[in-house]
Amino acid sequence: NAGVMQNPRHLVRRRGQEARLRCSPMKGHSHVYWYRQLPEEGLKFMVYLQKENIIDESGMPKERFSAEFPKEGPSILRIQQVVRGDSAAYFCASSPSFMNTEAFFGQGTRLTVV
Amino acid sequence: DQQVKQNSPSLSVQEGRISILNCDYTNSMFDYFLWYKKYPAEGPTFLISISSIKDKNEDGRFTVFLNKSAKHLSLHIVPSQPGDSAVYFCAASISGTYKYIFGTGTRLKVLA
Repeated sequence: NAGVMQNPRHLVRRRGQEARLRCSPMKGHSHVYWYRQLPEEGLKFMVYLQKENIIDESGMPKERFSAEFPKEGPSILRIQQVVRGDSAAYFCASSPSFMNTEAFFGQGTRLTVV
Repeated sequence: DQQVKQNSPSLSVQEGRISILNCDYTNSMFDYFLWYKKYPAEGPTFLISISSIKDKNEDGRFTVFLNKSAKHLSLHIVPSQPGDSAVYFCAASISGTYKYIFGTGTRLKVLA
């Protein structure tokens, strides 16, 4: 999973601030997925994007969360007005297609809201 | 509603013996299954996958078995090594979609 780059690795935000998490997929991968892992839980799907398109955001909270994958540059997961419950590990994954191919995960961004 | 379940949160196995990790699912539409391994502070690493047209897939020390009628899959690691100590997640998806539904993970500890 070394090819999927996420930054920052650790992010501390005060309640009410904004958090921006970045993800650069593996070379040649045009499909990006964001997952969230809360303590003692599995990974939960949040959003699936292709270049300039949100394909499925059914796992995203309706408010304060947004994602983009612009034509140039990394995918961004943005959380506005963070609350303590947003503290989690956020993982990005990429794949060359969505048809029965494994997704490769980045090392994650651990967000702590204080 | 937890569609993918790993009912054993932890498992300890002696080095050299077999590790068997289990996973159950409820959605009969799932037809592609994967196992990921995760070390602390790292992202999940893909291990092995299986399509529902098969009942077994093997890769080195890792074998995944799928029992569709029981909606059950298992990962066998033989022989187990201390470096295998990690959290193992199973995941399921439906062909033509892109969402992996993950289980809650099993923490494997291989004792030297």
